[in-house]
Amino acid sequence: DAKTTQPTSMDCAEGRAANLPCNHSTISGNEYVYWYRQIHSQGPQYIIHGLKNNETNEMASLIITEDRKSSTLILPHATLRDTAVYYCIVRVEGNTGKLIFGQGTTLQVKP
Amino acid sequence: DGGITQSPKYLFRKEGQNVTLSCEQNLNHDAMYWYRQDPGQGLRLIYYSQIVNDFQKGDIAEGYSVSREKKESFPLTVTSAQKNPTAFYLCASSTLAGTGNTEAFFGQGTRLTVV
Repeated sequence: DAKTTQPTSMDCAEGRAANLPCNHSTISGNEYVYWYRQIHSQGPQYIIHGLKNNETNEMASLIITEDRKSSTLILPHATLRDTAVYYCIVRVEGNTGKLIFGQGTTLQVKP
Repeated sequence: DGGITQSPKYLFRKEGQNVTLSCEQNLNHDAMYWYRQDPGQGLRLIYYSQIVNDFQKGDIAEGYSVSREKKESFPLTVTSAQKNPTAFYLCASSTLAGTGNTEAFFGQGTRLTVV
């Protein structure tokens, strides 16, 4: 079962910040939070990941709460090309190494 | 360029036939994965492998088989036992969990249609 919970869909105005939430209340101490996005009919694309500190790269920022039970992906200036399904994943550590995807959030950026 | 390649992009088969989907990576990744995606749905894990000659079932392994004879290759066979094989299939690779916090790389997918 997926270990993350995300809203099914969100809208965002072009040029505005898109804030995508994710709950991962059962996360273990050594598990990382990863974010991917999938544009229609393509393979998912890595965006960002983090353990407990906030992270930023050229695509997005990741804010992880102090208790690590939730996180928020921030696209600072959303464009129409950011319309996609966004997946929040907790990387399972140990021998399994599975990557478990949930249903994701469909972000619609509107002009 | 390093990457992960799936072929073919589109595949049509008659019901009752086995079909094998190719996945090759030149990223020197130990772990490889196969996912299935149905319209409007998320990704579901079929099989994964962390080392050559070893693999584990994911959540929906029934009707599928895999092999991992080479580190670079992880082919998926959709057998006639898979009741609803028409779907979008995605292959991914990554370093092993616990060896560092690295991302998974995905292929562009194979869209299988069984008629």
